[in-house]
Amino acid sequence: KAGVTQTPRYLIKTRGQQVTLSCSPISGHRSVSWYQQTPGQGLQFLFEYFSETQRNKGNFPGRFSGRQFSNSRSEMNVSTLELGDSALYLCASSSRVGNYGYTFGSGTRLTVV
Amino acid sequence: GQNIDQPTEMTATEGAIVQINCTYQTSGFNGLFWYQQHAGEAPTFLSYNVLDGLEEKGRFSSFLSRSKGYSYLLLKELQMKDSASYLCAGRYGQNFVFGPGTRLSVLP
Repeated sequence: KAGVTQTPRYLIKTRGQQVTLSCSPISGHRSVSWYQQTPGQGLQFLFEYFSETQRNKGNFPGRFSGRQFSNSRSEMNVSTLELGDSALYLCASSSRVGNYGYTFGSGTRLTVV
Repeated sequence: GQNIDQPTEMTATEGAIVQINCTYQTSGFNGLFWYQQHAGEAPTFLSYNVLDGLEEKGRFSSFLSRSKGYSYLLLKELQMKDSASYLCAGRYGQNFVFGPGTRLSVLP
């Protein structure tokens, strides 16, 4: 079966702009989590959605938001982009809530210039 | 804060056993995860410990001591393909906090 699909793979944006990233989970998975990975900060948890509801949330500013649709696909939005938002954004899906048994996508590499 | 600490780098020999340690703050702690991440790839879930003790999955085992704020990942019969970063992560309420990762190099 198809894995977790993230689009786009690469993105370049300008400071101040906003960006929307997309994640399609494995068929049948209802939980989707988002993570930011940078060389300096490592892997950081953003938020988790299950059945269209945010169930868990990390310590990121309100500029980072997300949503999940009825088909379990999820989007993550970052507004007013800053240079420090340049990172690899990873999405992971699972049939359960709680960050275990997750399968990760290949990520979207966002560069803010 | 909810600091998660683990060694930055470790080196071991093919066929050997290696133990990767992780310490964490116990206040608000709910459980501990281990992930494997090969260079340029996404992380892969390895284990999740909630209760004290050792959990074994093939060549990999994970141990947790909640009172000591300590966990380790034990890798037996090391193979070259085990060269990767190993991430320790703690669950605190609704948040998941990751350690910096331990880069393991397996030498022939």
